[in-house]
Amino acid sequence: DTGVSQDPRHKITKRGQNVTFRCDPISEHNRLYWYRQTLGQGPEFLTYFQNEAQLEKSRLLSDRFSAERPKGSFSTLEIQRTEQGDSAMYLCASSLVSGTGEQFFGPGTRLTVL
Amino acid sequence: AQKITQTQPGMFVQEKEAVTLDCTYDTSDQSYGLFWYKQPSSGEMIFLIYQGSYDEQNATEGRYSLNFQKARKSANLVISASQLGDSAMYFCAMREGGGRRALTFGSGTRLQVQP
Repeated sequence: DTGVSQDPRHKITKRGQNVTFRCDPISEHNRLYWYRQTLGQGPEFLTYFQNEAQLEKSRLLSDRFSAERPKGSFSTLEIQRTEQGDSAMYLCASSLVSGTGEQFFGPGTRLTVL
Repeated sequence: AQKITQTQPGMFVQEKEAVTLDCTYDTSDQSYGLFWYKQPSSGEMIFLIYQGSYDEQNATEGRYSLNFQKARKSANLVISASQLGDSAMYFCAMREGGGRRALTFGSGTRLQVQP
């Protein structure tokens, strides 16, 4: 039984570059979520998908951020023209539609923008 | 206003003792869910326990129990018989109603279990 996986685990980039992260949810989970966590804080919600539909987006998700889940399986999160303030841990989670809806998190991608 | 408040930035507990981690929440929804997650130094968020707003009984999962006091809007996590491996950050989170699925997290409590 594999959990949520994320790739890469670490990414260092220079300001102004574009980066893309990938998340593979637990296979039977319809819902997929992206969160951002900065040092010393709890995760902050960015967006979520049910199958391939993006149903909710946070105001934190600026125009430079875009997320996709084209076939309702894996998802990608792209950040264009990165800024130093984008440095954070990007967490992906997935859940079933039914039940209590607890979200299962992946190990995260740590982004450092120089 | 903060939706989830965790007032204890850090807590110490002796091994084998019980510890309570505080969480208060703010919502006007009647239907909502409350969650606790553990985040060890490795970084992965681990789901511990869930309490629905309509659940009459306090949730329990092994050594974890949730002391749910709806009128006071509190959802404290109780860990019994602490173990060294319980040392981690603990986050309280809420999912509000109205079809929203996002979790709102508190700022966390760092628990250190001492031998």
